[in-house]
Formats: sequence, C-alpha cells, structure tokens
Amino acid sequence: EAGVTQFPSHSVIEKGQTVTLRCDPISGHDNLYWYRRVMGKEIKFLLHFVKESKQDESGMPNNRFLAERTGGTYSTLKVQPAELEDSGVYFCASSPKNEQFFGPGTRLTVL
Amino acid sequence: GIQVEQSPPDLILQEGANSTLRCNFSDSVNNLQWFHQNPWGQLINLFYIPSGTKQNGRLSATTVATERYSLLYISSSQTTDSGVYFCAPWSNNAGNMLTFGGGTRLMVKP
Repeated sequence: EAGVTQFPSHSVIEKGQTVTLRCDPISGHDNLYWYRRVMGKEIKFLLHFVKESKQDESGMPNNRFLAERTGGTYSTLKVQPAELEDSGVYFCASSPKNEQFFGPGTRLTVL
Repeated sequence: GIQVEQSPPDLILQEGANSTLRCNFSDSVNNLQWFHQNPWGQLINLFYIPSGTKQNGRLSATTVATERYSLLYISSSQTTDSGVYFCAPWSNNAGNMLTFGGGTRLMVKP
C-alpha cells in the first residue's frame, strides 16, 4: 500500500511569489490534514478535510493560505503571496478514522 | 488547546542502553500517537496508544490517560534509533487535530 506522498520535496521561492504544495493521501482515507513546522517551533495543525469538505481550518495563519481538496482525493495548499515567515516544513497526513499517517513533507524556503 | 511537554529534550545514549521518554499533557485525550522523525525528516508512526500498553520489538509504550502522561521505552538502543521522538495527543475537546510536543532528540553513539 502506497503511503502519503507530497510534491515537491523542496521549494525555494522569493518573497511575493506563489507556491502550490500537493498532497496525495493513502487511497481510501477520507481524512486529510495539513501541518507545518516553522523554524524553532513545534509542528502545528493547519487544517482538516473530510473528503472534499473543510472540517476545521482554525490553524490557517492568514488569508494568504488557501487549501483545496477537489473530488475528495488529493489536496493542494497554495501560499500567495509568500512571506519570509512562511519558510518551514509542510506536512500532510491522512487517516481512515483515528490514526494519522504522515507524508515526507515539503521543505519551503522563502528568500 | 492541549499543552504537551516532552522530557528530556535531549538524550545521548551508548549503543545497547535503555531509555524512557516521557510525554505529559494538560487535558484528557481520546487518542495519542508516538512518532520517530528520522534524519531525513520523515515522521514514522511508532504507536497509536490512547490508553494501555503496546509493544513492538525493542519499543514499547504506555499511556495512563487518567494521569495525563505517556511513556515510550526504548531497549537495547541502536544507532538507527537516533532522531527526534514526538508525542502527539488528540482531544475531542480541542478540535480534530494532533497537538505535538517539542520532541526528544535522541542520539545513540556506537
């Protein structure tokens, strides 16, 4: 069974540019989560999808972040425009019910 | 939200030694997971353990939900055990999310 995959593994962009991160969950997992770890901080929740619906987006830092999960399969997280403080590792996780399984993360560097 | 504290923050072991990592949390929890973040940054599932004790090879974990803590035991440590260990509880009272502690950074020396 394939695990959670994320693309790209690394992204380096300049301040003000746009970046889109992609997550493919484990097949059949209705729950999809985004988390991130910024430098020196703990891993923090961003949002939670159940199928294509946003269940909880209380962790989204501001309106520069937009997450979608069209069709209830893969998800994208767009940052527009990117700021320096957005640098960090963005993790995606999926879950059939309770236990969450994480992808390898996307390391985002904003210069 | 839940407050999660892990101890110790850093740990250095000689290969073959045993260790206990602790995770304290501030609220009652419905789920709890332990992860190992390897040197490549991947979060590897170790245990899903909302309560009780589980064992997997040289690793075991115990969660005492009523006393708000969980323990991860590593026996006969190996260099490949190096990395960061995270505890992440989940409470239905605090939203549909895992709350991560700061982690314990483990280095096992040969």
